[in-house]
Amino acid sequence: SAVISQKPSRDICQRGTSLTIQCQVDSQVTMMFWYRQQPGQSLTLIATANQGSEATYESGFVIDKFPISRPNLTFSTLTVSNMSPEDSSIYLCSVILAGGGETQYFGPGTRLLVL
Amino acid sequence: GENVEQHPSTLSVQEGDSAVIKCTYSDSASNYFPWYKQELGKRPQLIIDIRSNVGEKKDQRIAVTLNKTAKHFSLHITETQPEDSAVYFCAAFYGNKLVFGAGTILRVKS
Repeated sequence: SAVISQKPSRDICQRGTSLTIQCQVDSQVTMMFWYRQQPGQSLTLIATANQGSEATYESGFVIDKFPISRPNLTFSTLTVSNMSPEDSSIYLCSVILAGGGETQYFGPGTRLLVL
Repeated sequence: GENVEQHPSTLSVQEGDSAVIKCTYSDSASNYFPWYKQELGKRPQLIIDIRSNVGEKKDQRIAVTLNKTAKHFSLHITETQPEDSAVYFCAAFYGNKLVFGAGTILRVKS
């Protein structure tokens, strides 16, 4: 497996502001994903982070609201823009390691509360 | 579209009993089916997975079965212990992404 870290681990933000979440992996990665997990709910894929190009967004998620960067193979950021209380959630990055087939591993998550 | 249904939503068992969670998927092209365990406040952890060329896989007290014809797969936990209490998610791999079931809250009563 690998060590996947996320920063920050949690934050409390005011509505209308933006927060950038970082995901760092200590091993070679083929794919990186960003998920949202609302309280008591399942995992919903926001987008696939593509290295050096625009992320691939799932239905219901748009780049203006959730801009994503992936400047290299092992690092990605997700920004939650113009936040509202409905954005309060856990945001998790997930990776497929090089040589790992389809197996996905999750980061520890970022708990976001928007007031 | 891609869809994974998971049942039951909650499951309570007595310590030592078995627990079974079932999932069905919609796309017959799906070929990889992992199960994740998520304890309160923690990240989802992969506990077992199965690929479409295999009908059953076991790892100690945990087993997964796959019926490709019926498009369903199940998680079996035997001799349950209090530390098995958690939320369990099934998932199916479609193309290049995972689609998750809604989750099952498993409570093991001692």
